[in-house]
Amino acid sequence: EVQLVESGGGLVQPGRSMKLSCAASGFTFSDYYMAWVRQAPKKGLEWVASISYEGSSTYYGDSVKGRFTISRDNAKSTLYLQMNSLRSEDTATYYCARHEDGGDWFAYWGQGTLVTVSS
Amino acid sequence: QIMLTQQAESLWISPGERVSITCRASQSLLYTDGKHYLSWYQQRPGQTTKALIYHASVRTDGVPTRFIGSGSGTEFTLSIEHVQPEDFAIYYCLQTLKSPLTFGSGTKLEIK
Repeated sequence: EVQLVESGGGLVQPGRSMKLSCAASGFTFSDYYMAWVRQAPKKGLEWVASISYEGSSTYYGDSVKGRFTISRDNAKSTLYLQMNSLRSEDTATYYCARHEDGGDWFAYWGQGTLVTVSS
Repeated sequence: QIMLTQQAESLWISPGERVSITCRASQSLLYTDGKHYLSWYQQRPGQTTKALIYHASVRTDGVPTRFIGSGSGTEFTLSIEHVQPEDFAIYYCLQTLKSPLTFGSGTKLEIK
């Protein structure tokens, strides 16, 4: 059974950093592109970033480019999101998702981890 | 970036009825491989987000046949026939043709 379990969320002050993790199981992690998607409270879904199989290619949404870094450790079957210079508008539940067919769609999603940026 | 518009924020229907949710793209989502890079997702409280349809019309594994994806170019529809109680949820479309990937704003299906 495919499982994606996010962790690392919590309360953080504006301007500070936070690193999220997503532990994957039930599939060969290195065979899939992975992504982060977020959802602000009571709002819709927003794609944050995606990463290729070995991590050599990364892609970012405009709102996080230059501040967030997506990475992966295939040996640990874990996806990461390093978030720097956090802003109040980054407050959201962050979901880990598995791409399918090299990026065509998201087949599996995690339950999410809530990040609250506030002083 | 490609904008996706889901005109209806909410739709009120009764169980057993048929409903259509539309998603309009600011440019064609057809790629040179003949596929449309448009997928549909369902969000229910307390559950993980579920993929329903990809490439505009292909149901994902295990999705009931009452969920039907259709459309081409810039206009897409998710239809649900004989809506069941568990179908009352929020539905999003997503385009993966070009980065940045973009979602529609979502349509909430509510019980009339």
